Amino acid sequence: KNQVEQSPQSLIILEGKNCTLQCNYTVSPFSNLRWYKQDTGRGPVSLTIMTFSENTKSNGRYTATLDADTKQSSLHITASQLSDSASYICVVSEAGANNLFFGTGTRLTVIP
Amino acid sequence: EAGVAQSPRYKIIEKRQSVAFWCNPISGHATLYWYQQILGQGPKLLIQFQNNGVVDDSQLPKDRFSAERLKGVDSTLKIQPAKLEDSAVYLCASSFLLGGLREQYFGPGTRLTVT
Repeated sequence: KNQVEQSPQSLIILEGKNCTLQCNYTVSPFSNLRWYKQDTGRGPVSLTIMTFSENTKSNGRYTATLDADTKQSSLHITASQLSDSASYICVVSEAGANNLFFGTGTRLTVIP
Repeated sequence: EAGVAQSPRYKIIEKRQSVAFWCNPISGHATLYWYQQILGQGPKLLIQFQNNGVVDDSQLPKDRFSAERLKGVDSTLKIQPAKLEDSAVYLCASSFLLGGLREQYFGPGTRLTVT
């Protein structure tokens, strides 16, 4: 069964600290993996996308990694800011199909 | 470039009532998606259109939910009659391409509360 699991469910960190969010998936065959940021009351916005051959992708203070062998991805946030408070959703696309598999998200709260 | 527009932003109805949501995708995007996002969960695909044709509606509760995209641009999602468990945010998204590398752009969503 194709699934995407994220951990932790929620996380609280101090402003300026780093954090890492995890995503494990069983989707096969694999096409690509995206990390989305969803602010409260808004739709998700894409942060990064990685295909099978990519190990890492950065977008400012956000760095995503992908290990296609172990089917794991992480999103590392450096020097967190209050505006990073949001839900981060991992989405995996199945190759050769139109299916996207969404994780349940990690709710990040950055406190001053 | 204007984003995906949705209306209304919020709706409160009583169970057994009907409700409709509207979505206007990004200009030129042929693919349109409706998602249901229950609080604390990731979005769940309800229906996917390619132009005005349905590509996937396998998770749409067809006894009460319906959607259309008559002219291949705007779309409406209807719930009739609503149940308490339909309380969720309904997200509309659009993409230029159909396929694995398509970038989906999401609207702000409509928050539905069924009492």
